[in-house]
Amino acid sequence: GAVVSQHPSRVICKSGTSVKIECRSLDFQATTMFWYRQFPKQSLMLMATSNEGSKATYEQGVEKDKFLINHASLTLSTLTVTSAHPEDSSFYICSAVPRGGEQYFGPGTRLTVT
Amino acid sequence: SQKIEQNSEALNIQEGKTATLTCNYTNYSPAYLQWYRQDPGRGPVFLLLIRENEKEKRKERLKVTFDTTLKQSLFHITASQPADSATYLCAPPSYNTDKLIFGTGTRLQVFP
Repeated sequence: GAVVSQHPSRVICKSGTSVKIECRSLDFQATTMFWYRQFPKQSLMLMATSNEGSKATYEQGVEKDKFLINHASLTLSTLTVTSAHPEDSSFYICSAVPRGGEQYFGPGTRLTVT
Repeated sequence: SQKIEQNSEALNIQEGKTATLTCNYTNYSPAYLQWYRQDPGRGPVFLLLIRENEKEKRKERLKVTFDTTLKQSLFHITASQPADSATYLCAPPSYNTDKLIFGTGTRLQVFP
């Protein structure tokens, strides 16, 4: 149990375009999902907390207008990177939290902006 | 501010030996701490959670300790196997929230 999926697993886009990444909890409902970013050989850095039915809360330094988060249901959160630039190239990982449980992570999405 | 430190140098051990990884935290006292495994290009996989009132927790060949006096957690893998080779992340929650703070991880390499 406690499986989290992400789609796509890899995406290459041109600078200036937008990319949407989906995070789904497959066998449980998640009132809270988290979005992280990880650069090579670095730790996971929390970008934002996504709460079902309400606005996401962003960590300091993360532009909410650039990284749009929508938590439309208890099993789906999406992250849209708007007007992507090469410096946005990174590994994006989501996690979902069953009520009162530990965080379960998705497999990650490798974004490359050319 | 809260700080998590893991040995950033890789740990190389021989198959069959016990691997011990260290996680130190400063400037606060987390109520619990989680350990994750991360393989290259993959998301972290949850391994164990230990609470502040638990000195030790075990799961198969894994053992985690939590010393609130030393502000340290140790993660042990006994009878290590090459398949255990991965990066292991320590993640306590941030103060007064459920947001996790991740250490940089320690890369474990088990050679035959």
